[in-house]
Amino acid sequence: AQKVTQAQTEISVVEKEDVTLDCVYETRDTTYYLFWYKQPPSGELVFLIRRNSFDEQNEISGRYSWNFQKSTSSFNFTITASQVVDSAVYFCALMFRDSSYKLIFGSGTRLLVRP
Amino acid sequence: EAQVTQNPRYLITVTGKKLTVTCSQNMNHEYMSWYRQDPGLGLRQIYYSMNVEVTDKGDVPEGYKVSRKEKRNFPLILESPSPNQTSLYFCASKGLGTGERNTEAFFGQGTRLTVV
Repeated sequence: AQKVTQAQTEISVVEKEDVTLDCVYETRDTTYYLFWYKQPPSGELVFLIRRNSFDEQNEISGRYSWNFQKSTSSFNFTITASQVVDSAVYFCALMFRDSSYKLIFGSGTRLLVRP
Repeated sequence: EAQVTQNPRYLITVTGKKLTVTCSQNMNHEYMSWYRQDPGLGLRQIYYSMNVEVTDKGDVPEGYKVSRKEKRNFPLILESPSPNQTSLYFCASKGLGTGERNTEAFFGQGTRLTVV
């Protein structure tokens, strides 16, 4: 089965805390792509990162970092020194190469950063 | 500016009244798709299209229709909307081909539909 699990429904932190959002995926395919999207209160989907299955290097972009581990089928997202503007719903998604090219989304994690 | 445009952004309608949500992209993408977002379920694919006149069902196609008469447009049609189709809808497009650039989907702003 192809599946993405985001076990954390909601996380609440105080500003400046570090927070990690978990993402676990299932796929039989050897070639696939993983994504993170941010959905702020305004509702649009903002692309954050794409990672292909052959690239296990961790990535850092400012306060954001991603840890991809094929051994545990996880693609976790860490926000360092969180800010109120980070409050949003975050989705992890999986795409594999079949005819539908669909994105399989997790159920999302709502992050609330309190001042 | 590269974009996917959906209209309307918000819509309240009554059960059984046919409606169409439009989607247009300006990136000459072959592939377009529709998703619905529901609490606790994430986004699920409704229909997709690989090119003009080529459409296929996604995971939750019941109650929806689509058409792809032109490459840039991919409208979502609800012939007889019901309250369980109340949801947030997203249109997406992407290029096809093996390049990594073609793995990224571009999403519209979303359409919040309420069926009463």
